[in-house]
Amino acid sequence: GDSVTQMEGPVTLSEEAFLTINCTYTATGYPSLFWYVQYPGEGLQLLLKATKADDKGSNKGFEATYRKETTSFHLEKGSVQVSDSAVYFCALTPGNTPLVFGKGTRLSVIA
Amino acid sequence: GAGVSQSPRYKVAKRGQDVALRCDPISGHVSLFWYQQALGQGPEFLTYFQNEAQLDKSGLPSDRFFAERPEGSVSTLKIQRTQQEDSAVYLCASSQERTPRGEQFFGPGTRLTVL
Repeated sequence: GDSVTQMEGPVTLSEEAFLTINCTYTATGYPSLFWYVQYPGEGLQLLLKATKADDKGSNKGFEATYRKETTSFHLEKGSVQVSDSAVYFCALTPGNTPLVFGKGTRLSVIA
Repeated sequence: GAGVSQSPRYKVAKRGQDVALRCDPISGHVSLFWYQQALGQGPEFLTYFQNEAQLDKSGLPSDRFFAERPEGSVSTLKIQRTQQEDSAVYLCASSQERTPRGEQFFGPGTRLTVL
């Protein structure tokens, strides 16, 4: 079945460091790919998405590129801030079936 | 405008009790989803409504779990004869799109603890 594997956390970085959170997937067909973020005390919210191969999703300085050849959708940010501390979830849907989430990666950014 | 709201935020139940969890989606959103999130895990799909029609309930773990959305707006997830393994955060999400490809807006969740 469809699945998402993302790097285990926690990830601890200093402010202004470069961030990469790896995400790979297994799916039939051509899924849409998502990154959701959960800030402390808040609900999940969509960070970015990509719907076809080679698309790049971006938001709030975060980027992820849909790589069909490596079945990956790695999340990157050039310079993290303390306010980026959260749990990040990679997810996919093949289309008419519900979202499948990874286990989440906790990011802590220290000043 | 108002986001997705869920009530109660926290629920403690004794094993064997029935519980009902409520979700108020964003007004006008067609699709509504329920997820179960165990500690340290990602959300796992339970069931999905398009308006009042339950299109997919393949994720419900047993026949003790039941969900409804009778008027195509508010939804209730009911768990009968709760067990300790039911302890989790139950998330509700809504979307203005008719397929799961659209952006889903999540509520804060209901944390259920079964003693």
